[in-house]
Amino acid sequence: AQSVTQPDIHITVSEGASLELRCNYSYGATPYLFWYVQSPGQGLQLLLKYFSGDTLVQGIKGFEAEFKRSQSSFNLRKPSVHWSDAAEYFCAEVDAGNMLTFGGGTRLMVKP
Amino acid sequence: DGGITQSPKYLFRKEGQNVTLSCEQNLNHDAMYWYRQDPGQGLRLIYYSQIVNDFQKGDIAEGYSVSREKKESFPLTVTSAQKNPTAFYLCASSIETYNEQFFGPGTRLTVL
Repeated sequence: AQSVTQPDIHITVSEGASLELRCNYSYGATPYLFWYVQSPGQGLQLLLKYFSGDTLVQGIKGFEAEFKRSQSSFNLRKPSVHWSDAAEYFCAEVDAGNMLTFGGGTRLMVKP
Repeated sequence: DGGITQSPKYLFRKEGQNVTLSCEQNLNHDAMYWYRQDPGQGLRLIYYSQIVNDFQKGDIAEGYSVSREKKESFPLTVTSAQKNPTAFYLCASSIETYNEQFFGPGTRLTVL
């Protein structure tokens, strides 16, 4: 069964530090991949998506993600974290049934 | 503005009562979804609909029911058969099931 794995349940970084959130997917040679962000008590907002083409994808709020086929990864990065980035982040993949499968999420905390 | 609305934001019900959560979208999307979110468990798919008058069970459909009589609306009923209904419920929509999903703000249901 295909799945999306986010190995880190919680991550804490200092404000201004760089960030990398890990995501491993399991389905497809050319997967459709997404990153979403969820603030507490809110819905999910799309940060970026990858369908094909350039493996480095730019998103909103200064985030980017890199697709690495050899590692089955789609890690999310930000060069300098702001306190407002504290939230939960979800990676997702379109599976064999053409449905989005979400990872378990990574909760990001930002230290002042 | 196009988007997805869910109402109410907070809902309280007594045990044994059915309750219906509203979800409306004006994005002209064909596909709509209901997810349940519990702390530390990510998103779990309850039901989805790819077209009006058709819907399919997701991973945790027991104790829930839906209807899709209009393209814009996909209400979810939490029945008394749902053993642990207290949770955060998210509605989403997409053009097709393999496209990015747009999420509503969520409804937090508490059963007393």
